[in-house]
Amino acid sequence: NAGVTQTPKFQVLKTGQSMTLQCAQDMNHEYMSWYRQDPGMGLRLIHYSVGAGITDQGEVPNGYNVSRSTTEDFPLRLLSAAPSQTSVYFCASSYDGLAGAYEQYFGPGTRLTVT
Amino acid sequence: AQTVTQSQPEMSVQEAETVTLSCTYDTSENNYYLFWYKQPPSRQMILVIRQEAYKQQNATENRFSVNFQKAAKSFSLKISDSQLGDTAMYFCAFMTSGSRLTFGEGTQLTVNP
Repeated sequence: NAGVTQTPKFQVLKTGQSMTLQCAQDMNHEYMSWYRQDPGMGLRLIHYSVGAGITDQGEVPNGYNVSRSTTEDFPLRLLSAAPSQTSVYFCASSYDGLAGAYEQYFGPGTRLTVT
Repeated sequence: AQTVTQSQPEMSVQEAETVTLSCTYDTSENNYYLFWYKQPPSRQMILVIRQEAYKQQNATENRFSVNFQKAAKSFSLKISDSQLGDTAMYFCAFMTSGSRLTFGEGTQLTVNP
């Protein structure tokens, strides 16, 4: 199993550009999520999904869109990048925790810089 | 809303000694889960230990153990026999049902030789 994979590992964007961060998992997990990590702060939840076709907002959703057309993939879209979106982005997946707390598996992260 | 607070931005310990990292949280939920994650310089998030709120017994994983005080909403991590490879950022995290994690700000732990 590859686990959770993220591409790219690094990205530099200019203000106003758009891009998609890719996330894929091969563990048949229902739950997938995106976090951002800023210096001096813990990870904050951007968006999450409990299954294909179902997404919802987390703590800091503004400026980001997501969709979940398959169980395996959960891309994060920045429609018009802003310097405030400079951060490290993590994707995570797990079995859906309705009846308990399953371990979340994190991808290696994408470091995004917006100039 | 849940909040998680780690009041120690940085800590250091000598190799082979014991260190305790603090974490407090605030919630009105009765059923929840608490975690400690380790993030070494590689940036990978690694689960260290987990605790279910309904369990009174403190969780242990080899050299790692927790002191879970539900009434005080406190969840500290003790690392015994510290090793150089324990140098990392440590995050306390909280989860209710639904898999959504709320993280603290993190504590940077340095183990000195």
